[in-house]
Amino acid sequence: AQSVSQHNHHVILSEAASLELGCNYSYGGTVNLFWYVQYPGQHLQLLLKYFSGDPLVKGIKGFEAEFIKSKFSFNLRKPSVQWSDTAEYFCAVNAYGQNFVFGPGTRLSVLP
Amino acid sequence: DTAVSQTPKYLVTQMGNDKSIKCEQNLGHDTMYWYKQDSKKFLKIMFSYNNKELIINETVPNRFSPKSPDKAHLNLHINSLELGDSAVYFCASSPLASGGLGETQYFGPGTRLLVL
Repeated sequence: AQSVSQHNHHVILSEAASLELGCNYSYGGTVNLFWYVQYPGQHLQLLLKYFSGDPLVKGIKGFEAEFIKSKFSFNLRKPSVQWSDTAEYFCAVNAYGQNFVFGPGTRLSVLP
Repeated sequence: DTAVSQTPKYLVTQMGNDKSIKCEQNLGHDTMYWYKQDSKKFLKIMFSYNNKELIINETVPNRFSPKSPDKAHLNLHINSLELGDSAVYFCASSPLASGGLGETQYFGPGTRLLVL
């Protein structure tokens, strides 16, 4: 079964700083990859997803992620964060015949 | 026009009680899920139903029983509630059968359960 790890438990940034959240998965076969965001007190919303094709995917709110197959990674990036990006970010992996698996989450706090 | 809805939003109850959480999706999806998110925000799948049929049943106490009257509804009934059941429970749905590639999950707003 696949597993998902996220490098940072809690990231604190100032507004306008650049963001990169790490995500690695363990599964040798074909996977679909996702980033979800959970704003305080709210449900999970899909930020972006990778199924196939261009490994650099763009999502909502200026986020993007790059799939690097050789590194089993799918890191999330944003060039300039805003206070409103404060949230919990979850990486998730879906492989054929496997459950949808979420990483442990990374809490992002953006200071105004 | 809510896609995935849950009721109630908050649930406070005493240990030993029995409670139910309801979930409905109007997306026409075939598969629905229940997840538990603990106090550390860790998300764990509990159940998955595809067209009213149980597909995934992770290691969950049998006090938890899902019921799917039709493919748009997946309710969660919990017997003899315990302190450790306190968590946020999320319902989700996806268009494909669980385990299929190309699956995106859409989440409900969550039900915050507090057992006293």
